[in-house]
Amino acid sequence: AQTVTQSQPEMSVQEAETVTLSCTYDTSESDYYLFWYKQPPSRQMILVIRQEAYKQQNATENRFSVNFQKAAKSFSLKISDSQLGDAAMYFCAFYRGGSNYKLTFGKGTLLTVNP
Amino acid sequence: GAVVSQHPSWVICKSGTSVKIECRSLDFQATTMFWYRQFPKQSLMLMATSNEGSKATYEQGVEKDKFLINHASLTLSTLTVTSAHPEDSSFYICSAKAAGTSPTEQFFGPGTRLTVL
Repeated sequence: AQTVTQSQPEMSVQEAETVTLSCTYDTSESDYYLFWYKQPPSRQMILVIRQEAYKQQNATENRFSVNFQKAAKSFSLKISDSQLGDAAMYFCAFYRGGSNYKLTFGKGTLLTVNP
Repeated sequence: GAVVSQHPSWVICKSGTSVKIECRSLDFQATTMFWYRQFPKQSLMLMATSNEGSKATYEQGVEKDKFLINHASLTLSTLTVTSAHPEDSSFYICSAKAAGTSPTEQFFGPGTRLTVL
């Protein structure tokens, strides 16, 4: 079974600064997908960024980028130029591929952005 | 992007009663829908996967007779919490996958907060 570990229950960052959220996972699969989801106070889950394991290039979406280290099974999220609207719970998630489409979530990191 | 709605957004019920939560894909056909449960300040735990027209597949430890899932059409799945008790109070979230799309394309509903008195 796959496990996803987020070792930082809470993080804080100053507005306009950069913050990195950590995620490690455990799997025996060679082909899989990793995600970062954002859950703001509204509780609506929003996909932030996605990474295919077969791609060596790290995914980037505007101010959000990942550092994907496949050998180390590490998938961290970097948020640059943090904004107040980035304050939310962030979940790392794993999908091993196949037809069941099941996502395994980490426990989440609560990000606070200080003005 | 694709929109998934849930109804109601918040429900309060008495212990022993049943509550039905609806999950709808508004602008796409969802062949697969997922139901998650989220306790306060915790992660999403998958309860079951439902495919249109077939029985739901429940995760280990989830009582299928207590959490009844129906996916009768390509745009609607329902979760019925039967004989609800206070320990069933939680936030329930559904997600949906559209037919013919990438396996990684899942869209989440806004969630339903259930409080059992």
